[in-house]
Amino acid sequence: GAVVSQHPSWVICKSGTSVKIECRSLDFQATTMFWYRQFPKQSLMLMATSNEGSKATYEQGVEKDKFLINHASLTLSTLTVTSAHPEDSSFYICSAEPDSGNWDTQYFGPGTRLTVL
Amino acid sequence: GESVGLHLPTLSVQEGDNSIINCAYSNSASDYFIWYKQESGKGPQFIIDIRSNMDKRQGQRVTVLLNKTVKHLSLQIAATQPGDSAVYFCAEPTNAGGTSYGKLTFGQGTILTVHP
Repeated sequence: GAVVSQHPSWVICKSGTSVKIECRSLDFQATTMFWYRQFPKQSLMLMATSNEGSKATYEQGVEKDKFLINHASLTLSTLTVTSAHPEDSSFYICSAEPDSGNWDTQYFGPGTRLTVL
Repeated sequence: GESVGLHLPTLSVQEGDNSIINCAYSNSASDYFIWYKQESGKGPQFIIDIRSNMDKRQGQRVTVLLNKTVKHLSLQIAATQPGDSAVYFCAEPTNAGGTSYGKLTFGQGTILTVHP
């Protein structure tokens, strides 16, 4: 089956530092990937749509200069949380949409737990 | 409705019981829904989907019911097992008429706890 990985699975950083999270589709190509954020005991909220070869599309209220997205290839998207602060602590989840051209589910990564001290 | 930012409701059941998890939606034009299961510390996993031209769809131990009149769908899990303990979300894609899901809007979610 289709597998999406994320790295790292968890990270602890100091306030003011930047953290990069990788999302990879392991056995399929994905022009489009999505980044979600989930706070404890809450639902997933879409942050942005990552498009290979073009700029990401951010949801309303999400700062594009703070959450930098780079979709470098058809199997890799990265999310960089710049100048992280404690309020950025959250569970970040990516999903990838196969380029099959057929109606197909998105596949989710296992998530990355970010804790900012 | 598809509220976000609220804490999730909970459902506790005994092993072997049937579980019913509910989801309401607000857009009467919505025509495709998905149920996801999210285990603790993991990403969501697809369970089952349903199109609006159906009012019921069955999978292995799961059934989704769609009531378009009251804009409500439910996920029924038969003979619930401890391994079913997770958070369950309904979701709606933006590109229901296209060839890909597009953005997903997740419902509030329900925490299901199954006691042995």
